[in-house]
Amino acid sequence: SVLLYQKPNRDICQSGTSLKIQCVADSQVVSMFWYQQFQEQSLMLMATANEGSEATYESGFTKDKFPISRPNLTFSTLTVNNARPGDSSIYFCSSREGQGDGNTLYFGEGSRLIVV
Amino acid sequence: GDQVKQSPSALSLQEGTNSALRCNFSIATTTVQWFLQNPRGSLMNLFYLVPGTKENGRLKSTFNSKESYSTLHIRDAQLEDSGTYFCAADPNAYKVIFGKGTHLHVLP
Repeated sequence: SVLLYQKPNRDICQSGTSLKIQCVADSQVVSMFWYQQFQEQSLMLMATANEGSEATYESGFTKDKFPISRPNLTFSTLTVNNARPGDSSIYFCSSREGQGDGNTLYFGEGSRLIVV
Repeated sequence: GDQVKQSPSALSLQEGTNSALRCNFSIATTTVQWFLQNPRGSLMNLFYLVPGTKENGRLKSTFNSKESYSTLHIRDAQLEDSGTYFCAADPNAYKVIFGKGTHLHVLP
């Protein structure tokens, strides 16, 4: 299994500011994924981040708004730029390892962002 | 339309009873994952399934790839089973597609 640690767990920020969320894995993983979850809704994949390359963004998410860094195999950051109230949600990092049951998706505890 | 459709969307169960959640897929998938999001928001993986059945304690899950559905059976429901259950299709190595979830409330 993979353990993922996120910080901050929760933050409140002013509209127009930027917030950075960190994710650390307890082992080296090839890919890290970032998900967004609005209140009482499902999880939406934002982007896939591999070490040493630009993140691949899903439709509706851009690197200008949500820049992601992946400097090594255990770490990733997601930044929310020019935060707006509509960005208020929980952001999860996740990862998976290897083949078979090792392809299970694991999640961090989530970072709840409130933009006021 | 939804590629991963879960039913029911919400469910209330009396403690000690049994129930089944269902997930229908309109996207080809070789594996299925089930997750529980507890009331605090944490996500826990319950099952990673290839076609077939797995059991873990009071939970049992089946994935029928020919008919494109998966079920999650909960036996002897307990209060701590409350939360939102998500199933997810795994059409390739990287993109997991989630259903909208089943909100389960176990009543004392």
